[in-house]
Amino acid sequence: GESVGLHLPTLSVQEGDNSIINCAYSNSASDYFIWYKQESGKGPQFIIDIRSNMDKRQGQRVTVLLNKTVKHLSLQIAATQPGDSAVYFCAEILSGGYQKVTFGIGTKLQVIP
Amino acid sequence: DAGVTQSPTHLIKTRGQHVTLRCSPISGHKSVSWYQQVLGQGPQFIFQYYEKEERGRGNFPDRFSARQFPNYSSELNVNALLLGDSALYLCASSYTPGTGSYNEQFFGPGTRLTVL
Repeated sequence: GESVGLHLPTLSVQEGDNSIINCAYSNSASDYFIWYKQESGKGPQFIIDIRSNMDKRQGQRVTVLLNKTVKHLSLQIAATQPGDSAVYFCAEILSGGYQKVTFGIGTKLQVIP
Repeated sequence: DAGVTQSPTHLIKTRGQHVTLRCSPISGHKSVSWYQQVLGQGPQFIFQYYEKEERGRGNFPDRFSARQFPNYSSELNVNALLLGDSALYLCASSYTPGTGSYNEQFFGPGTRLTVL
């Protein structure tokens, strides 16, 4: 399939190491933040979300950190596996009359076996 | 359970033509959103529909329109196609539109539109 990661920032990580993917968001009024994983030829897949009143949330092998002071979001993946290779997008959600989802630029994660 | 389905998977059109893309949400989901993803960029919000009504619209020209049917499926229409409309068009469904709170969206595989 085509590469959704063309021209995106790339992070190369050795298998088994931890990965940290960073994202800057724009709207301080956003209610939620989500990390999505997108593999080539597929739509974005939800990984983890965090509400704006939290600063950390953990899932299975993933942790999201939110720093509202500098409008920064990070995704930490523990013990990175080859199946983690994909493009990762952060998204900010502003809930109101509808759910406006604004995606960030994206980072391509390459896991080196 | 079937996820979000979209048709067709690929489409080639020429400038000035019209295109219709289709989306079937997850069973029980009443809200559908459309996104445009240009190669190398993140998806950009086009529309959100809920109960057959437009609930939100992104910064796209009037050439883009959509509708939602009583069975909650949806169509995205683009008129007078431009080369710059070449992209992956993604559909996402959720149970509700997420008014006042987040409601998880599930994405389909997308329709790859190429405009020549």
